[in-house]
Amino acid sequence: SQTIHQWPATLVQPVGSPLSLECTVEGTSNPNLYWYRQAAGRGLQLLFYSVGIGQISSEVPQNLSASRPQDRQFILSSKKLLLSDSGFYLCAWSRLITEQFFGPGTRLTVL
Amino acid sequence: AQKVTQAQTEISVVEKEDVTLDCVYETRDTTYYLFWYKQPPSGELVFLIRRNSFDEQNEISGRYSWNFQKSTSSFNFTITASQVVDSAVYFCALSEWKTSYDKVIFGPGTSLSVIP
Repeated sequence: SQTIHQWPATLVQPVGSPLSLECTVEGTSNPNLYWYRQAAGRGLQLLFYSVGIGQISSEVPQNLSASRPQDRQFILSSKKLLLSDSGFYLCAWSRLITEQFFGPGTRLTVL
Repeated sequence: AQKVTQAQTEISVVEKEDVTLDCVYETRDTTYYLFWYKQPPSGELVFLIRRNSFDEQNEISGRYSWNFQKSTSSFNFTITASQVVDSAVYFCALSEWKTSYDKVIFGPGTSLSVIP
């Protein structure tokens, strides 16, 4: 069966510090991968998606970047965090034209 | 443009009551998928159901049932005999085919509180 992992689970970072969140998927190959952000009390915003190694597309301009160095690894990064980057970050995977399966999420607080 | 509306922001029910969560969608595509996800307080989104646009049969899974009506662009979700464990935020979502990936558009969510 497939599983998706995210770490860390929670993170508190000062403004201006770098960020690296990691997501890995097990039990499948060549998945589509996604990063979402959920601000407190609000819906899901798609940040990035990837259909293969090294292939990253951004949905919205922002302070964040994503990379996919391996087939089942998806990394969300920032060089300098902003207060507005606080939120709940969810990684998801899917096969083509199927439902997306989500990881446990990372709760990021930028102070 | 594709859009998902969940008009009910928050719902409170007493345990054992039935509750229906509404979902209305907009799309110009003839082929699309609809989903429901549950987000408990822990935060992880849990997939509940997928429906494609060619299958309007209603579905029942235990205490959960879904009513898909293309004529009204609705995909409503009913929980029968609600339980405290059903307390969560529920998201309805629509999938469109876009280039090489399936973009999922989520509704704003409905927060359900089941009171013991």
